[in-house]
Amino acid sequence: AQSVTQLDSHVSVSEGTPVLLRCNYSSSYSPSLFWYVQHPNKGLQLLLKYTSAATLVKGINGFEAEFKKSETSFHLTKPSAHMSDAAEYFCVVSDLTGTYKYIFGTGTRLKVLA
Amino acid sequence: EPEVTQTPSHQVTQMGQEVILRCVPISNHLYFYWYRQILGQKVEFLVSFYNNEISEKSEIFDDQFSVERPDGSNFTLKIRSTKLEDSAMYFCASSDPFLARQGLNTEAFFGQGTRLTVV
Repeated sequence: AQSVTQLDSHVSVSEGTPVLLRCNYSSSYSPSLFWYVQHPNKGLQLLLKYTSAATLVKGINGFEAEFKKSETSFHLTKPSAHMSDAAEYFCVVSDLTGTYKYIFGTGTRLKVLA
Repeated sequence: EPEVTQTPSHQVTQMGQEVILRCVPISNHLYFYWYRQILGQKVEFLVSFYNNEISEKSEIFDDQFSVERPDGSNFTLKIRSTKLEDSAMYFCASSDPFLARQGLNTEAFFGQGTRLTVV
């Protein structure tokens, strides 16, 4: 079975400092992995996706993630946090064994301090 | 850019009432999904629908829930007799299975959600 584990439920950073949101996955197959962001009372916005092409994936708003098979990780990073980055972030793996449903992590709430 | 649309954006209903949440998936997509997010919690899979039938459902998707594709464009989620614990954000999504089977892209496209409040 496929799963994702988000290692931190809350992360606080100061504005202008780097962001690291951690995600580990478990998959019997070469996975499809995604990061989504959800601002308060809003829907899900795709930040970036990994689908077995380049291991370093660049997304929107300066975010990127690196797929590391040896570590089964797909951590999300950004060099410099902005106040508008404050939101909930979900790491997602797509279930490739059947209906390609998404399996969501428990989420990481990012707080950006002025 | 094609998008998934959901209506209504917010629905308030009394406990025990039936509700129908509506979604218009992307027109050339063939896999359709409903997900639920209880306030402050993670997004949970409810059901997937392909070729006019349920292809997979979670344990949450009990007899109170049903899905339907009544015409060529809409995809609905019905809750027969709502409970307080059904209060949540419900997301519809669709994907293109052919790209997925080729390993090219399993990305699902999400609607903006319907916030259901049961009182």
